[in-house]
Amino acid sequence: KAGVTQTPRYLIKTRGQQVTLSCSPISGHRSVSWYQQTPGQGLQFLFEYFSETQRNKGNFPGRFSGRQFSNSRSEMNVSTLELGDSALYLCASSLGGAITGELFFGEGSRLTVL
Amino acid sequence: AQRVTQPEKLLSVFKGAPVELKCNYSYSGSPELFWYVQYSRQRLQLLLRHISRESIKGFTADLNKGETSFHLKKPFAQEEDSAMYYCALSRGSNYQLIWGAGTKLIIKP
Repeated sequence: KAGVTQTPRYLIKTRGQQVTLSCSPISGHRSVSWYQQTPGQGLQFLFEYFSETQRNKGNFPGRFSGRQFSNSRSEMNVSTLELGDSALYLCASSLGGAITGELFFGEGSRLTVL
Repeated sequence: AQRVTQPEKLLSVFKGAPVELKCNYSYSGSPELFWYVQYSRQRLQLLLRHISRESIKGFTADLNKGETSFHLKKPFAQEEDSAMYYCALSRGSNYQLIWGAGTKLIIKP
């Protein structure tokens, strides 16, 4: 069974640009969550999508957005990039529904903003 | 408010010594608690969940509702245990996990 796949793995952007990250969940998983991971802040929850609907949202500004497609693949977008957006962005998928808590993570997309 | 606290950002112990990574939570309902681990250059992955009451890689964790704790323990640390450990709480399938800040465990040879 293929794991969670995130693309791109690494990217460098400059302030003011925008970026789109992609996540392909494990086949059959309907929930996709996004996290920002930094050495100082640890894991910060961005949002979760379930069956194409945003089900939960963290405390990030509106520059951070996401969506989920009918095949459960998800994208997140960050507009007007700031230096502080440099981080590892993790995507996690889960079955959702009856099974709680077990998330399967991708390797992450490492974003550097210059 | 629901919260997960891992008081130690860094824990360093010698190989063969016992290890205890602390996790305290604040939640009024019946929590489901988890430990996730991230080894160097590997994905974050589930280590164990309290509901299964199993030992994984020699680690155990017991939910203490009286002390609202879910500490992770291992009697004899090994160098391969060096990793980042996160404690997380689930309030149910419709809610995102609540994460602790993480503890970096370093096992010294």
